[in-house]
Amino acid sequence: AQTVTQSQPEMSVQEAETVTLSCTYDTSESDYYLFWYKQPPSRQMILVIRQEAYKQQNATENRFSVNFQKAAKSFSLKISDSQLGDAAMYFCAYRILPSNTGKLIFGQGTTLQVKP
Amino acid sequence: KAGVTQTPRYLIKTRGQQVTLSCSPISGHRSVSWYQQTPGQGLQFLFEYFSETQRNKGNFPGRFSGRQFSNSRSEMNVSTLELGDSALYLCASSLDGTELNYGYTFGSGTRLTVV
Repeated sequence: AQTVTQSQPEMSVQEAETVTLSCTYDTSESDYYLFWYKQPPSRQMILVIRQEAYKQQNATENRFSVNFQKAAKSFSLKISDSQLGDAAMYFCAYRILPSNTGKLIFGQGTTLQVKP
Repeated sequence: KAGVTQTPRYLIKTRGQQVTLSCSPISGHRSVSWYQQTPGQGLQFLFEYFSETQRNKGNFPGRFSGRQFSNSRSEMNVSTLELGDSALYLCASSLDGTELNYGYTFGSGTRLTVV
């Protein structure tokens, strides 16, 4: 069974500092996508970054980057220069490829607090 | 362009009643997925519709059902509500859910409270 584990229920970071959120997953598939979503109090899930498993290069989106270790099945999110607006719940998610299904499997989430 | 619209935003129902939630995807998107979010179970996949057909289904009882219309708008229905059905229900839309567009756009959800 595919599972996604986020071992840190809560994290805090000082504004302008860097924080890393952890995620591990379990799958026997070789092709898949990994995602980090952010859910602020508005409740809408917002895509932060995505990574294709076949790409060795780690994805980067401005202040957000990932450390993708396929053999270790690890997919951590690094937020640099943290801002107050980064405070939210962050979810790691996984999707099998190739697939004609839109099913995402989510971790339990990590609540990130940003201190001014 | 307009995002994913879910209505209503909040809903309070009595145990035993039924409820219908609505999701209007981004224009042009044909895939709509539904998720249930609770503090205990986290985010769990309910089902996905593509071109009016259910393409995948999660492990939920038959009380949970859905459908998709020709304009891609989707509804989910929960019959005989139980207290444990209290949750945030999120829908997500994408062009077709395949490699070309593997990102999903979520709505803000419907907060259902069963009393």
